[in-house]
Amino acid sequence: DAGVTQSPTHLIKTRGQHVTLRCSPISGHKSVSWYQQVLGQGPQFIFQYYEKEERGRGNFPDRFSARQFPNYSSELNVNALLLGDSALYLCASSLYWSMTDTQYFGPGTRLTVL
Amino acid sequence: AQKITQTQPGMFVQEKEAVTLDCTYDTSDPSYGLFWYKQPSSGEMIFLIYQGSYDQQNATEGRYSLNFQKARKSANLVISASQLGDSAMYFCAMREGPQGGSEKLVFGKGTKLTVNP
Repeated sequence: DAGVTQSPTHLIKTRGQHVTLRCSPISGHKSVSWYQQVLGQGPQFIFQYYEKEERGRGNFPDRFSARQFPNYSSELNVNALLLGDSALYLCASSLYWSMTDTQYFGPGTRLTVL
Repeated sequence: AQKITQTQPGMFVQEKEAVTLDCTYDTSDPSYGLFWYKQPSSGEMIFLIYQGSYDQQNATEGRYSLNFQKARKSANLVISASQLGDSAMYFCAMREGPQGGSEKLVFGKGTKLTVNP
């Protein structure tokens, strides 16, 4: 079975631009979460979506937004990019929206902001 | 406040030996879950093992076991018979938030494990 997939794998943007990252969960999984991992740190929670509704939001500015589609895939949007947004963005899927369910991560999208 | 603390930035172990990676956590919630993930240089986070706060026995998954000491708030990962492929970053994470509510995983800063031949 296919795991979590993310696109693109790498992305280079300049300050002030907008970016959209995409994630497809494992088949049958209804929950998608997004994490930001800055170099040398552990991942930080950005959003969780379940059944197309936002279930949780981390401490990130409003420049960050996300949505989940009827097929449970998800997009993460970041507006007005800053240099500090450079990071590995990880998507994770789970069956439901309780954190007792194991989250399975995708390979990530590495975003570089110049 | 740091919820997950991994005090070992780097660890070295000889192939075929066992190694323990430390993790302490801080929570006042009686219901919580603890996870360990492995992150190779490719970047993907690989789930290794899970321990629930109410689980009576320490979790085990193949060569991985979790030494859960609730009173000490520690959840150390033990890898037996280390292999060269175990070289990677290892992250301890805790589920935070009311169960069924707005929940998230909180990660530690990780430990870089190097397995020497």
